[in-house]
Amino acid sequence: EPEVTQTPSHQVTQMGQEVILRCVPISNHLYFYWYRQILGQKVEFLVSFYNNEISEKSEIFDDQFSVERPDGSNFTLKIRSTKLEDSAMYFCATGLAVSDEQFFGPGTRLTVL
Amino acid sequence: DAKTTQPPSMDCAEGRAANLPCNHSTISGNEYVYWYRQIHSQGPQYIIHGLKNNETNEMASLIITEDRKSSTLILPHATLRDTAVYYCIVLNTGTASKLTFGTGTRLQVTL
Repeated sequence: EPEVTQTPSHQVTQMGQEVILRCVPISNHLYFYWYRQILGQKVEFLVSFYNNEISEKSEIFDDQFSVERPDGSNFTLKIRSTKLEDSAMYFCATGLAVSDEQFFGPGTRLTVL
Repeated sequence: DAKTTQPPSMDCAEGRAANLPCNHSTISGNEYVYWYRQIHSQGPQYIIHGLKNNETNEMASLIITEDRKSSTLILPHATLRDTAVYYCIVLNTGTASKLTFGTGTRLQVTL
């Protein structure tokens, strides 16, 4: 069964450093999403991406965040200058159509020290 | 998207049916009801969705009331592996596809 994969599984970084989280979507999916979950809190939407552009973003997704599909397959989330409060589990999700279910990856645990 | 209300926790004996309720009294005509679950710290997993008719798949059944103001997710024979947080999400798929997760229902399946 096809699945969404994410790398790395765990990333530890120093405050102020840049991090790139990577996601490999299911091959024929066209809609891509990033969500995050701070420990003990709700899963929060960050951004949706379709046709090589952002469709929607939340208030959390400020200028420090960016997304892209650099090679047409991987889908990345970049945080330019990490803050302590960026520590969370980051989930990538993909879907075939806007109304279809979203398939989530296993997540990347980001720890900012 | 309409707000949903779910009980914070429920218990179910293994092998019995788990019936998880969700209230969405402000749902509008073009909004679907989606159910996802999250097992421990894994990525959320899609279970089922529906508009107004009852739906069934290999994982669960979804019963939506006639007025669409509430729904029930049914896991017919719960197992220990069904222990998870279950989220009911109302979504207008015509205008947006972002999922807004609430606090969900923590289902504990016991022996």
